[in-house]
Amino acid sequence: AQSVTQLGSHVSVSEGALVLLRCNYSSSVPPYLFWYVQYPNQGLQLLLKYTTGATLVKGINGFEAEFKKSETSFHLTKPSAHMSDAAEYFCAVKGTGRRALTFGSGTRLQVQP
Amino acid sequence: GAVVSQHPSWVICKSGTSVKIECRSLDFQATTMFWYRQFPKQSLMLMATSNEGSKATYEQGVEKDKFLINHASLTLSTLTVTSAHPEDSSFYICSARDGGGSPAGEQYFGPGTRLTVT
Repeated sequence: AQSVTQLGSHVSVSEGALVLLRCNYSSSVPPYLFWYVQYPNQGLQLLLKYTTGATLVKGINGFEAEFKKSETSFHLTKPSAHMSDAAEYFCAVKGTGRRALTFGSGTRLQVQP
Repeated sequence: GAVVSQHPSWVICKSGTSVKIECRSLDFQATTMFWYRQFPKQSLMLMATSNEGSKATYEQGVEKDKFLINHASLTLSTLTVTSAHPEDSSFYICSARDGGGSPAGEQYFGPGTRLTVT
């Protein structure tokens, strides 16, 4: 079984500040991990994913995430927030034996001017 | 990247009627499509997995007779909400998995359909 926990349903940062969105997972098999962004009334857009190999993954829009197996974490970061980053962010996990994704509860990112 | 479309993007229907939502993969063949439901300010909950040419696999607690899924071709899956009730009002999102895709099984998501039952 797999599960995802996103700490903090709401995160507010100032424009230009560091963005850190937390994600911890539970998986009985080596996981594939994903971060998606959702803008209001839209579907999900893939930001980045970890499958195998390098544990620091770079994605679109300046985001990156680091897979830490010892901490079962996959936190999302961006050095400098932009107003356009305001959205809902979902962490997701997929085990090798399951094709569907299991999503976390989401974190709403607010960017203050 | 791969594109998945949904139609309609929003629909309002009366209680007791049925609504069909289409999900299409526009530039790839999707052997597997997924249907998710999202309540306001909540996460996506998987409803069912559909494979082309076979019956859908429903998640526990999802009524298969109420949410009819048909995956008739490699580019089209439909979700029909039968005898809709106000509690069926939600945001329905489909995703498609490229049959020739990576082992990670990246899914491409549609833009979603907002269903309101009055």
